[in-house]
Amino acid sequence: AQSVTQLDSQVPVFEEAPVELRCNYSSSVSVYLFWYVQYPNQGLQLLLKYLSGSTLVESINGFEAEFNKSQTSFHLRKPSVHISDTAEYFCAATPRSGYSTLTFGKGTMLLVSP
Amino acid sequence: DTGVSQDPRHKITKRGQNVTFRCDPISEHNRLYWYRQTLGQGPEFLTYFQNEAQLEKSRLLSDRFSAERPKGSFSTLEIQRTEQGDSAMYLCASSEDSGNTGELFFGEGSRLTVL
Repeated sequence: AQSVTQLDSQVPVFEEAPVELRCNYSSSVSVYLFWYVQYPNQGLQLLLKYLSGSTLVESINGFEAEFNKSQTSFHLRKPSVHISDTAEYFCAATPRSGYSTLTFGKGTMLLVSP
Repeated sequence: DTGVSQDPRHKITKRGQNVTFRCDPISEHNRLYWYRQTLGQGPEFLTYFQNEAQLEKSRLLSDRFSAERPKGSFSTLEIQRTEQGDSAMYLCASSEDSGNTGELFFGEGSRLTVL
């Protein structure tokens, strides 16, 4: 079984500031890693995922996450946030082999203010 | 097809009553999932279907909970004899059959309030 820890329940930032949302995972097997985002009054949607290859993955709206195996982390970053990035962000993991469902972290609420 | 739809969006019920939620997945997706989300928590897995077969159930799914996907299309989640602890957002998601790498597409959820 795997577990996902998001250390910050809420991260307030000003517009155009950089942000990092932290995610650590624990698993006895290799995992795939995901970030999902939930905008107000909408369903969760995939932001980006790490499956293999380059440890740095990017989304279409400027977010990036880096897989760090030694630190068992998959932190999400953006160099300059917008008001529209205000949302809850969930880190998730699933084993690479066999079938298993996604295990989510508790989420981090990103609050961007002008 | 515009995505995963769930009905009702919000249900308020008295303790002891039965409630049923419906999920219509994206039409070409053969996998369907139910998750539960409570305040301050991430989504917690409840159960999963591959077509009409229910392949996995979480320990969270007590005997009062039952889920069906009779024709491999829409699914229902029924909670019998509701308790206040059942108050939560119930999320449905669907995906293609692409192993563990595929994207889950979530509905907006059905919020249950048990008084």
